[in-house]
Amino acid sequence: ETGVTQSPTHLIKTRGQQVTLRCSSQSGHNTVSWYQQALGQGPQFIFQYYREEENGRGNFPPRFSGLQFPNYSSELNVNALELDDSALYLCASSSDGGRQDEQFFGPGTRLTVL
Amino acid sequence: GQSLEQPSEVTAVEGAIVQINCTYQTSGFYGLSWYQQHDGGAPTFLSYNGLDGLEETGRFSSFLSRSDSYGYLLLQELQMKDSASYFCAVREAAGNKLTFGGGTRVLVKP
Repeated sequence: ETGVTQSPTHLIKTRGQQVTLRCSSQSGHNTVSWYQQALGQGPQFIFQYYREEENGRGNFPPRFSGLQFPNYSSELNVNALELDDSALYLCASSSDGGRQDEQFFGPGTRLTVL
Repeated sequence: GQSLEQPSEVTAVEGAIVQINCTYQTSGFYGLSWYQQHDGGAPTFLSYNGLDGLEETGRFSSFLSRSDSYGYLLLQELQMKDSASYFCAVREAAGNKLTFGGGTRVLVKP
């Protein structure tokens, strides 16, 4: 069974640029959530996708958008990057039949905005 | 929205017991979960309390009291590998949003 994978592992961008981060869910999982984690902080919920539809969103502006594909992999897109967007971006997958709130996290993408 | 408070850091010796408290302010949620995260690693699920009471999983136990807006994670027989950050999290009834606390850094000393 393959776990959750994310790409790239590290990324450096400049202010105003756009970025796309990718996530492959664990086999059999139909739900993907994305989180932003600043250094020394807890993960902050960005949004969640269930069967290709967004079904939950945190307090992030519209320039944070996402997609989930038929194979349940997912993308996080961030437009007009700001310095404060520098963080670790985590995706997590889960399934309908799993333990409540048990999510499996990927290793994350470390984004640095200069 | 949700607000979860945890102590920022706890230090203990090997073999000891540590309790990490989590207090929250919420208008409605499904349950309280706990995650462990080692430095440079991804969070991993530890436990979930949907109902009041104690859930035990090996050396780790978790407790929830909705009437007191309070929960805790109990780490027993501490081992060096337990040095990590621990996060409590709640799933809001409205919006399907999972909110994490700021985390408690546990340092286990020999």
